[in-house]
Amino acid sequence: AQSVTQLDSQVPVFEEAPVELRCNYSSSVSVYLFWYVQYPNQGLQLLLKYLSGSTLVESINGFEAEFNKSQTSFHLRKPSVHISDTAEYFCAVIPTSYGKLTFGQGTILTVHP
Amino acid sequence: EAQVTQNPRYLITVTGKKLTVTCSQNMNHEYMSWYRQDPGLGLRQIYYSMNVEVTDKGDVPEGYKVSRKEKRNFPLILESPSPNQTSLYFCASSLGGFTLNTEAFFGQGTRLTVV
Repeated sequence: AQSVTQLDSQVPVFEEAPVELRCNYSSSVSVYLFWYVQYPNQGLQLLLKYLSGSTLVESINGFEAEFNKSQTSFHLRKPSVHISDTAEYFCAVIPTSYGKLTFGQGTILTVHP
Repeated sequence: EAQVTQNPRYLITVTGKKLTVTCSQNMNHEYMSWYRQDPGLGLRQIYYSMNVEVTDKGDVPEGYKVSRKEKRNFPLILESPSPNQTSLYFCASSLGGFTLNTEAFFGQGTRLTVV
C-alpha cells in the first residue's frame, strides 16, 4: 500500500515570491508521481507527472517538481507565483505495475497581492 | 472535447432519500473511479471499475453503490444518504487502469449536502 503526506495544509505567499509545496510518499513498490491542481469551484487537473527519466519535471505554467527517490519526496516549486496560482494542490502516487491512485491531503496555496 | 461529465453539480437532499450521481466519459476509457473530497483528508476512493461489469471497493465504500453497465457511464448510488455523506464527489476516468496511460481525467465535481 502507498501513502502520501503533504506537509503543509496551507501556504500563504505574496505575489512574485517563490514557493515550495512539500510532498513525501511511502511505498513498498516503485511508483509514478503526480501533482494535480484544483482551482476554486473546479475539478482536478493534472499539473505535472514523473514517470521515468529526468527526475526534474516541469509544467507549462512555470511549476517544477523533483523526484528524490532516496528521500521519497516530490516537492513542487515555482520561482515566482501569480495571483492566478491560488488553488489547492494535490500530490498523488500510483504503483508502476498496477494499483490505485493515492492522494495526499492537499495544500491550499493562497497568493496575496 | 475529451471530458468527464458529472450531474448534478450541486444537490441538497434529506436523510434516507435515494439519489444517483451520474458520470459519463467520452474518451473510451476502461477505468473509472469515484472519490470523495473532505477538508484535511484529501481525496479518498469510494469505488472503481476496471471495465464493464467489473467493479471493486475503494477505501470508503460503505453507504455507496455503483454500476458499470456501459463503458462510458459509472453512476454513484446512495441508497439511504446520511449527513456524514455530505461531501464533494469527483468521478475520474483513465485508459488502461492507470498503467498504460497514467493520467486521470476528473469531472467538475458534485457538491452533496444531506440534511
